[in-house]
Amino acid sequence: EIVMTQSPATLSVSPGERATLLCRASQSVSSNLAWYQQKPGQAPRLLIYGASTRATGIPARFSGSGSGTEFTLTISSLQSEDFAVYYCQPYNNWPPFSFGQGTKLEMK
Amino acid sequence: QVQLQESGPGLVKPSETLSLTCTVSGASISTYLWSWIRQTPGKGLEWIGYIYTREITKYNPSLKSRVTILADTSKNHFSLKLSSVTAADSAVYYCARLGTLSGYFEYWGQGSLVTISS
Repeated sequence: EIVMTQSPATLSVSPGERATLLCRASQSVSSNLAWYQQKPGQAPRLLIYGASTRATGIPARFSGSGSGTEFTLTISSLQSEDFAVYYCQPYNNWPPFSFGQGTKLEMK
Repeated sequence: QVQLQESGPGLVKPSETLSLTCTVSGASISTYLWSWIRQTPGKGLEWIGYIYTREITKYNPSLKSRVTILADTSKNHFSLKLSSVTAADSAVYYCARLGTLSGYFEYWGQGSLVTISS
């Protein structure tokens, strides 16, 4: 099973600023990586798949990049509704499925 | 649009069987892969298993001996049964749909909190 490591565990950023979240895989997953956003009391929501393709309805301020073992989720100008926990998930060889441990994006 | 809704008891006794149902609207469970995922503060998001075309199932090896996922196409819902539960199985349980021919989870239910306690 592929192990995903997300960093940092917590990221403090001011509204309007840029946030960069990292996800590293224990082995190559090519571009088969998804990002999810989870707010308190809600289910995860798909943001990005294929490492860089935004899911339906996701604002353009969210962007994903990377391939192989290193991936980045960037939120270009943080809005108040963006403060949440973000998870990455590889899907190059499934099942089983695994998720990163998450990065909590909090308001500075 | 596709919607999923979990239902079932919120409290289950240790050693008993946890049973949850996911009712789907906006899509047929005869197509796509339908999954169960759970979340705990300690272990994070953990995939439990999926069902495909009503008959094909795959389970997380760590839970395989205790898990059964079934589908009822007449009611357009699928279910999860987890036997011999312990406190470690207390979690929020989500049902989700995988994207078409892909391995990411495109649609999720709102989640169902299940507590294992006597």
